[in-house]
Amino acid sequence: DQQVKQNSPSLSVQEGRISILNCDYTNSMFDYFLWYKKYPAEGPTFLISISSIKDKNEDGRFTVFLNKSAKHLSLHIVPSQPGDSAVYFCAAILTGGGNKLTFGTGTQLKVEL
Amino acid sequence: EPEVTQTPSHQVTQMGQEVILRCVPISNHLYFYWYRQILGQKVEFLVSFYNNEISEKSEIFDDQFSVERPDGSNFTLKIRSTKLEDSAMYFCASSDVYREAFFGQGTRLTVV
Repeated sequence: DQQVKQNSPSLSVQEGRISILNCDYTNSMFDYFLWYKKYPAEGPTFLISISSIKDKNEDGRFTVFLNKSAKHLSLHIVPSQPGDSAVYFCAAILTGGGNKLTFGTGTQLKVEL
Repeated sequence: EPEVTQTPSHQVTQMGQEVILRCVPISNHLYFYWYRQILGQKVEFLVSFYNNEISEKSEIFDDQFSVERPDGSNFTLKIRSTKLEDSAMYFCASSDVYREAFFGQGTRLTVV
């Protein structure tokens, strides 16, 4: 039962260009969404989040867009840097349900010089 | 910057043995969680803990698993009789109410 899906297992982008990572969800009750970055053998690191009452949230080079009608969110990284190379997970929360995170399968981003 | 700390970083145990994974959450957080990631798979929710009791658990969190907050700072996950398929990275996390969860570095559990 994959309620949160990331259909691209990998993405390769040139340094300085935009990286766009996509995520789809099926449960319309989700009301808070997050992006995490993960390096091998480390825990996920929180990047940026968005409430379902918004359609955009920006933090420096990172912007998250939410399209509720399409049940789709995306993470834009501009400009991409080699240090951004990692696995990116989107996650969703149904607040009031224990605040558990439901994770997507992850997208491996590689930023090339 | 406050962080979630986990010990040990790597635990090797024989099948059938009990293991206890330890975590120190961020001190002013109210929610505590355990997640796991089997190699090559996604991060999966195990259990959440709030106000000294389990608030939600997944189907993975069966009778072999238990959690405890034995004092004001530690949060533990116990696996009573480990199986080969319990081998995974186990992550502890904590959060304020309705806010993002912060994760520890993880404990790699290897069951042989």
